[in-house]
Amino acid sequence: AIQMTQSPSSLSASVGDRVTITCRASQDIRDDLHWYQQKPGKAPNLLIYAASSLHTGVPSRFSGSGSGTEFTLTISSLQPEDFATYYCLQDYNYPYTFGQGTKLEIK
Amino acid sequence: EVLLVESGGGLVQPGGSLRLSCSVSAFTFSTYAMTWVRQAPGRGLEWVSAISGSGGSTYYADSVKGRFTISRDNSKNTLYLQMNSLRVEDTALYYCAKKGPSYDCWGQGTLVTVSS
Repeated sequence: AIQMTQSPSSLSASVGDRVTITCRASQDIRDDLHWYQQKPGKAPNLLIYAASSLHTGVPSRFSGSGSGTEFTLTISSLQPEDFATYYCLQDYNYPYTFGQGTKLEIK
Repeated sequence: EVLLVESGGGLVQPGGSLRLSCSVSAFTFSTYAMTWVRQAPGRGLEWVSAISGSGGSTYYADSVKGRFTISRDNSKNTLYLQMNSLRVEDTALYYCAKKGPSYDCWGQGTLVTVSS
């Protein structure tokens, strides 16, 4: 199975900061990489699909980049509602695999 | 509005069985692949299983292969997960999700607790 390694596992930041989360795949997955946001007690929400496409309704401060084995999720200016846990998911082949998550906390 | 509602969770002893259901509405169910994803308490997301729109292709995580069976009834707009030989480590909140561009719609989850 393809292993997805996210970093950092946790991150403290302030409102207005620019933050970047990285996801690395154990093999080339082209652009079959997606990013999710999850808030406590809620189901995950799709933010970015196919590495860099913004899902409908997601604010433009979220962006994704990368291909192959290294991917990034960037939030350009943190808002209070962005403090959550973020996951990457590869669907290049089965079994699909998630990264272990990055918990973004308020500094 | 697209809606996915899971049901069927509960408390079961190790070695027992449960069948989860995911009832959907407001989209053409048969044209979309579907998946089950779980989340153990305080842990991350784990992809469990997926099924094609027709139901003809199914896929499983190694951790559940041979014990869980995914299926769907397109006439009833319902997705299922039959879980046999349950283990303590299967304790989790189980979500169903629709595959649009990636998994774009999710249910609220149903809790499965495996304990003696």
